[in-house]
Amino acid sequence: DAMVIQNPRYQVTQFGKPVTLSCSQTLNHNVMYWYQQKSSQAPKLLFHYYDKDFNNEADTPDNFQSRRPNTSFCFLDIRSPGLGDAAMYLCATSRDIRRSSQYFGPGTRLTVL
Amino acid sequence: DQQVKQNSPSLSVQEGRISILNCDYTNSMFDYFLWYKKYPAEGPTFLISISSIKDKNEDGRFTVFLNKSAKHLSLHIVPSQPGDSAVYFCAARGSGGSNYKLTFGKGTLLTVNP
Repeated sequence: DAMVIQNPRYQVTQFGKPVTLSCSQTLNHNVMYWYQQKSSQAPKLLFHYYDKDFNNEADTPDNFQSRRPNTSFCFLDIRSPGLGDAAMYLCATSRDIRRSSQYFGPGTRLTVL
Repeated sequence: DQQVKQNSPSLSVQEGRISILNCDYTNSMFDYFLWYKKYPAEGPTFLISISSIKDKNEDGRFTVFLNKSAKHLSLHIVPSQPGDSAVYFCAARGSGGSNYKLTFGKGTLLTVNP
């Protein structure tokens, strides 16, 4: 089945220790998104890639970076995690940027100690 | 400033009855609205959508109603089933420029009791 896969499902890191979250897709979609969702909050878009074009949301902290080495994979790098970065991180894909639905992965739950 | 609001954090209904989940928005540039359903330990999955040129869209047991003048939409589930128990997110999207992105509400936890 075509799908969006996120690894790991649970990640524990220490305060200030860099961490990378992974997302892969078998849908061959052009767009990949990263969302942050804190407890009882709405998912918040951090950035997206349209093919190789990176688009950062204006309020995304510099601490968050992303890489998309190919169509299938996209990574979220948190350079120096703080306690406030503990959240669920959701990856999503869509065929294009406008009228297509987004398909979400199961998410990675990040804990910062 | 929340542009998409789901004011009920939770809703509990009996199996077989109607579930009504509500969503309000403030941005008049939104022209496409979606509902996503999320089970624990899974990502949100697309459920149903509606364009602003319509006031109703139906798909099986699920119907979404849009009241543009009130900037309000609702999701009706009839009849409700225990398997419908999940968190439901309302999302909205604009058109043109950078308005493509989805803006989500905080979600409503629906519990359908047998």
